Amino acid sequence: TQLLEQSPQFLSIQEGENLTVYCNSSSVFSSLQWYRQEPGEGPVLLVTVVTGGEVKKLKRLTFQFGDARKDSSLHITAAQPGDTGLYLCAGVLSYDKVIFGPGTSLSVIP
Amino acid sequence: DAGVIQSPRHEVTEMGQEVTLRCKPISGHNSLFWYRQTMMRGLELLIYFNNNVPIDDSGMPEDRFSAKMPNASFSTLKIQPSEPRDSAVYFCASSSPGGNQPQHFGDGTRLSIL
Repeated sequence: TQLLEQSPQFLSIQEGENLTVYCNSSSVFSSLQWYRQEPGEGPVLLVTVVTGGEVKKLKRLTFQFGDARKDSSLHITAAQPGDTGLYLCAGVLSYDKVIFGPGTSLSVIP
Repeated sequence: DAGVIQSPRHEVTEMGQEVTLRCKPISGHNSLFWYRQTMMRGLELLIYFNNNVPIDDSGMPEDRFSAKMPNASFSTLKIQPSEPRDSAVYFCASSSPGGNQPQHFGDGTRLSIL
């Protein structure tokens, strides 16, 4: 059974702080996707990383794919209340087969 | 552009009743996914279709669950008979052809079985 683990499970921080969320697995993925989900809505894709060691930046968000393509991290600089939500990583195993991690619930307090 | 459309948004029904959830994927997308999300188990893949054909239904919990995709623009997930433990948010997602494509999710159906 392929599993994706995410840590921490919950995170509550003050506006302006930095944070890092981790996504780990024993499986090798062809790519890894990060989604953000807000209450009452479905997850929305933030980024896809494909190459081992790849780093992608999306404004204050930095995503990194591990060299072995088994893990990934999401770093947020100077968090804002609008960053609040559930962050899900999803490992792409094959053409369409994707497994989702349990998510990290982030709360940014003004 | 219209996204993935799910209906109903909310459903409350008594145990034993049949429940049908509906999904309209994004036009041109050839893969469709049904997920269930709960606090305890997170987002679980139930079944996915490619070109209207079920490819992997290993996540369907029991024979009480069934899914169909009669054409490229419509899919249903049916629970019969429903049980209180089926209470969850059910999401439908679709993706376009090609590998590593993002999944586009609907807003979900919040199902409560009393």
